[in-house]
Amino acid sequence: EPEVTQTPSHQVTQMGQEVILRCVPISNHLYFYWYRQILGQKVEFLVSFYNNEISEKSEIFDDQFSVERPDGSNFTLKIRSTKLEDSAMYFCASSETGGAGQPQHFGDGTRLSIL
Amino acid sequence: GESVGLHLPTLSVQEGDNSIINCAYSNSASDYFIWYKQESGKGPQFIIDIRSNMDKRQGQRVTVLLNKTVKHLSLQIAATQPGDSAVYFCAEKIGGYSTLTFGKGTMLLVSP
Repeated sequence: EPEVTQTPSHQVTQMGQEVILRCVPISNHLYFYWYRQILGQKVEFLVSFYNNEISEKSEIFDDQFSVERPDGSNFTLKIRSTKLEDSAMYFCASSETGGAGQPQHFGDGTRLSIL
Repeated sequence: GESVGLHLPTLSVQEGDNSIINCAYSNSASDYFIWYKQESGKGPQFIIDIRSNMDKRQGQRVTVLLNKTVKHLSLQIAATQPGDSAVYFCAEKIGGYSTLTFGKGTMLLVSP
């Protein structure tokens, strides 16, 4: 069964450094998403991406964050200058379309630890 | 408002029992709902979904019930197995928007 893959599985970074989290969505999917989950808390939406542009973003997704689809298969999340509170699991998801009735399928996440 | 923290509601059942996990959703405009299962160290895994024009939907060993009057969603798992042990999240979505809003989650513990 096709799946969303994310790399790396664990990223440790010094505060203030830039990180790039990578995702390969399911190949025929057109909508891509990033979510995060702080330890012990619920999954929170960050951003959705369609047709090479952001379609929605949450208040968490401030100017420190950016997303990109650099080629036909990868989807990346960049955090420009990491803060301690950015430590979380970051999940990438994709769906065939963005409409109701289309489930989002998630990868296994990247654990980001900021020191 | 909803509290957040390290303590999840927990449902403990014996193998073979039926499990019912409940979720209260927040937005009466939500028209699509999904149940996800999350095992330790993994991402949310799609289980079953339901649109707001339905009250009930069945899958393999799972049934989702939707009560729009009281904004309540439940997941029923028949003949629960140890492999069902995980955290279960409901998520809601409003048509025309791509954002999924997740609930807090319930931990299901299945004893052999």
